[in-house]
Amino acid sequence: AQTVTQSQPEMSVQEAETVTLSCTYDTSESDYYLFWYKQPPSRQMILVIRQEAYKQQNATENRFSVNFQKAAKSFSLKISDSQLGDAAMYFCALLNYGGSQGNLIFGKGTKLSVKP
Amino acid sequence: EPEVTQTPSHQVTQMGQEVILRCVPISNHLYFYWYRQILGQKVEFLVSFYNNEISEKSEIFDDQFSVERPDGSNFTLKIRSTKLEDSAMYFCASRGDSTNQPQHFGDGTRLSIL
Repeated sequence: AQTVTQSQPEMSVQEAETVTLSCTYDTSESDYYLFWYKQPPSRQMILVIRQEAYKQQNATENRFSVNFQKAAKSFSLKISDSQLGDAAMYFCALLNYGGSQGNLIFGKGTKLSVKP
Repeated sequence: EPEVTQTPSHQVTQMGQEVILRCVPISNHLYFYWYRQILGQKVEFLVSFYNNEISEKSEIFDDQFSVERPDGSNFTLKIRSTKLEDSAMYFCASRGDSTNQPQHFGDGTRLSIL
């Protein structure tokens, strides 16, 4: 069974500082994708960043980057220069596409607070 | 940028009643999904839909649930005889024709069963 674990229910960061959100996963597939989604109080699920498992290079999107450790099945999200608008729930998700239509498996989420 | 839209944003229904949640996926997308998020818990997959039929469903998606694409734009989730434990946020998502494309989510419908 595939699982996604986010061990930090809540995190806090000072504005302009850097924060890292942890995620570990388990899958028997060799090909998969990993995502971080952001869910602000407005409820919308917004894609932050994604990583293809076959790529060794860590994905980056502006202030957001990941540390993908395939052997350790770890996929952490680093937010640099944190902004007030980054405050939200962050969900790590695993996508298997080997033979299925690719449904997402989510972690329980990490609530990020940004202090001014 | 195209968006997935969901209506209504909040639905309040008496236990035992039927409810239909509506979604308009992004127009050129081919794969459609419903997810559920019970308050304070993680987002859970319910069902995926492709080529006018269910392609995959989870254990949660029992006979109480059904999905339909009644026309070229809408994608609906029907819950028959709702139960208190059906109270949750329901998210619709869609993606294009390549599995590695990300799923785009709607804003969700908050379903409250009284």
